[in-house]
Amino acid sequence: GEDVEQSLFLSVREGDSSVINCTYTDSSSTYLYWYKQEPGAGLQLLTYIFSNMDMKQDQRLTVLLNKKDKHLSLRIADTQTGDSAIYFCADSGSTGGYNKLIFGAGTRLAVHP
Amino acid sequence: DGGITQSPKYLFRKEGQNVTLSCEQNLNHDAMYWYRQDPGQGLRLIYYSQIVNDFQKGDIAEGYSVSREKKESFPLTVTSAQKNPTAFYLCASRGTSGDETQYFGPGTRLLVL
Repeated sequence: GEDVEQSLFLSVREGDSSVINCTYTDSSSTYLYWYKQEPGAGLQLLTYIFSNMDMKQDQRLTVLLNKKDKHLSLRIADTQTGDSAIYFCADSGSTGGYNKLIFGAGTRLAVHP
Repeated sequence: DGGITQSPKYLFRKEGQNVTLSCEQNLNHDAMYWYRQDPGQGLRLIYYSQIVNDFQKGDIAEGYSVSREKKESFPLTVTSAQKNPTAFYLCASRGTSGDETQYFGPGTRLLVL
């Protein structure tokens, strides 16, 4: 079935770039999303990319999509302590998220001075 | 101020008791979703509703029930049949034209006494 995988933990120094990786299995996905979750809170949409795009940039965030390898990445430039959170990759599947999103387990980003 | 609200923030359930989690949205979205989040795991879909008076089971519907009598509201009942209800419950909604992103509420943490 459809699956999304992420590494569970990433530690970076403040001011460096962070790169969070995700792989998915559904070749018919239409949208791929990145959500951020702070402790005890809901999910905040960060950005998304349509499946016919290779790259999307939004201020400090850059999303790269390699459809051939079914690999998605989120790069955060100039990482700050406020970026410490769990980041979820989500796949809309072939229904475009109409029925559900398929989530990875989340990558916990720790930013240290 | 448009958004999704969930209440209560924390909920305690006794053995054999049914409890109901509230989810309200004023985004005029047709579709609403309930997800369950367990530590170290991604979100799993419990139920979803694409339109008033209609809803569908997700991947882990056993022990849960929902209703969709109003467009704005999608309450989730955790019944006594759900043997392991301790989790963080997240409600989401989605528009059906233009913006098809799922937006999330702040969540309800359910604990068993």
